[in-house]
Amino acid sequence: GIQVEQSPPDLILQEGANSTLRCNFSDSVNNLQWFHQNPWGQLINLFYIPSGTKQNGRLSATTVATERYSLLYISSSQTTDSGVYFCAVAPGGQNFVFGPGTRLSVLP
Amino acid sequence: DTEVTQTPKHLVMGMTNKKSLKCEQHMGHRAMYWYKQKAKKPPELMFVYSYEKLSINESVPSRFSPECPNSSLLNLHLHALQPEDSALYLCASSQGFGTYGYTFGSGTRLTVV
Repeated sequence: GIQVEQSPPDLILQEGANSTLRCNFSDSVNNLQWFHQNPWGQLINLFYIPSGTKQNGRLSATTVATERYSLLYISSSQTTDSGVYFCAVAPGGQNFVFGPGTRLSVLP
Repeated sequence: DTEVTQTPKHLVMGMTNKKSLKCEQHMGHRAMYWYKQKAKKPPELMFVYSYEKLSINESVPSRFSPECPNSSLLNLHLHALQPEDSALYLCASSQGFGTYGYTFGSGTRLTVV
């Protein structure tokens, strides 16, 4: 099956710093989604982005499907950005497979 | 309504108990999912319902029994669970199986004692 890698596995930032999270996948995908899981367990959809670039406030994401990677950018980080960021990918007609996640801690 | 609602939020049950988890969505999504998540791990797929029919069972033990009474509602019936079944149980929905994005509920944190 498809393999999904995320880097870095852990990240500690000072409030106000910027960061880039990466998701690599081993096969062609039709769907890709970024999630933020907050400390209470809620999985929040950040972007549905099988290709191209999207922006939402301080967050933006880029997927280069032909090179099998996606990037999530967080600018001017806040303590509320802490949690785990998951990339999930789906080959055509198949279920989403989650990467192992990046655990982000933003310090005040 | 753009939410997936899960109840209860927390559940403690004994190994001989029978309980049910409930998941509801009113977005007209025709695919619904149950995931299990252990601490510090990504969610793992348990079941997929597509158009109210079970389409995927990821070799889940029979002590977990899913049910989809209608297109808006998904249940997970629990019976004779083991302590290692303690986890966060997440429900999700999407417009169609493997298409578009998934919307997740806030989860039920289950503890088996």
